[in-house]
This record gives sequence, structure tokens and C-alpha cells, in this order.
Amino acid sequence: GAVVSQHPSWVICKSGTSVKIECRSLDFQATTMFWYRQFPKQSLMLMATSNEGSKATYEQGVEKDKFLINHASLTLSTLTVTSAHPEDSSFYICSARDLGRGQGAPDTQYFGPGTRLTVL
Amino acid sequence: AQKVTQAQTEISVVEKEDVTLDCVYETRDTTYYLFWYKQPPSGELVFLIRRNSFDEQNEISGRYSWNFQKSTSSFNFTITASQVVDSAVYFCALSEYSSASKIIFGSGTRLSIRP
Repeated sequence: GAVVSQHPSWVICKSGTSVKIECRSLDFQATTMFWYRQFPKQSLMLMATSNEGSKATYEQGVEKDKFLINHASLTLSTLTVTSAHPEDSSFYICSARDLGRGQGAPDTQYFGPGTRLTVL
Repeated sequence: AQKVTQAQTEISVVEKEDVTLDCVYETRDTTYYLFWYKQPPSGELVFLIRRNSFDEQNEISGRYSWNFQKSTSSFNFTITASQVVDSAVYFCALSEYSSASKIIFGSGTRLSIRP
């Protein structure tokens, strides 16, 4: 089946630094990817929709200057957490939308394994 | 606006018991998709099922079954003869056709199966 990878799987950084998380669709092209954040024992909250070749669309309450999203190719979207603080510590999950050019049913979303960010 | 409610925060049953996880959704769209995902302690989401709004037929897959009722806006999930490996957090989710495939998740139900 279609596979989405995330890198790194976990990262620990100091407060004030920036962290980049990559999301790749390995065997299909994804014009749209989604970024979610999950705090411990909570649900997944959609942060933004990443569209290839255009600006991301952010959900209400998500700071676009803090969470920079770049979708430069049909297989890669990146999320950069700028000037990270301890409250940004969370599990970040991406998903990629397959419009049917890959395996699986049309318009199916595939989720990555997640990236656990810890900010000290 | 779309919304998914999973009223059961935590459920604990003894192995081999049957267990039903409830899911109630809200949407104004006539075309939408409903999902169930499993999230084991590793964190990776495991896709279980996708159902579109025009298909109310119930589905069974091994020990898993799903009951979709549009009249009550519910999409409940039953595990028959539960096993310890079923222990995980289960999320019900909704995607409206008009919202460009955005998936909105319920708050999740933490299921613990005791040996």
C-alpha cells in the first residue's frame, strides 16, 4: 500500500531553536498534505493544509509565522517549528492525499508515523 | 461545521468480552466520509475503515464490525471477542466532501483489554 514517511521520528532541541520535520509520500504523488498536532492523551488537531506550489492554509488559532510549511514538490512537505518553546513539545503527524495515481482508493489519505518533538 | 463526538473516554474490559465504541458526528454536507483509526502506544495511526455517506451497509471484518446509521448520525465500532492486542486508542473521524478532504478527529476512546 501507499507509504508516507516522516523524518525525524523524534527530535529533542533547546528552547529558541528551529526544527524542521519532513513528510514524504514514497510511492505516490501528493498535491495536498496535512499536518496534525497531538498533545499527550489528546486527539489529533489539524494544523494546516499544505498544497504543492502554493501557500499553506492554516487552521484558526495556528500561528503561520511559527509553523512554516513548504510543499515544494509532489512528494515532500516540510514543517518548520521556529523558535521552539517547551509548549511546542508534541507529536506531529502528517498525512498525504492520494488522488488515485497511486495504490488505494481515489482520494485516500495516508498517515505518516509521526514525529515526537521535545523542546527543553 | 463538522464535529465528531466520542463520549467514551476510556473503556476497560476483560479479554474475550465484546466491546462497542460509540461515535456520533455532525455535518451539514450530504457527501462525507467516516473513518475509524487505531493508535497503539507506538503512536502510528492504523487505518481501519472508511465509509462514505451513501453506503449505510454495515461491515464486518474478522472480529471488527461497524454500524453506520445516518438517522442517528452514528458510526459505532464493535470488537468481538476482544484480545489484549486490541488495547489502543481508537479515533472516529469525519471528512466532508466540501472541505477538501480535511479529516476531523473525535477525542478518542482509550481501550484497555485485561487478560
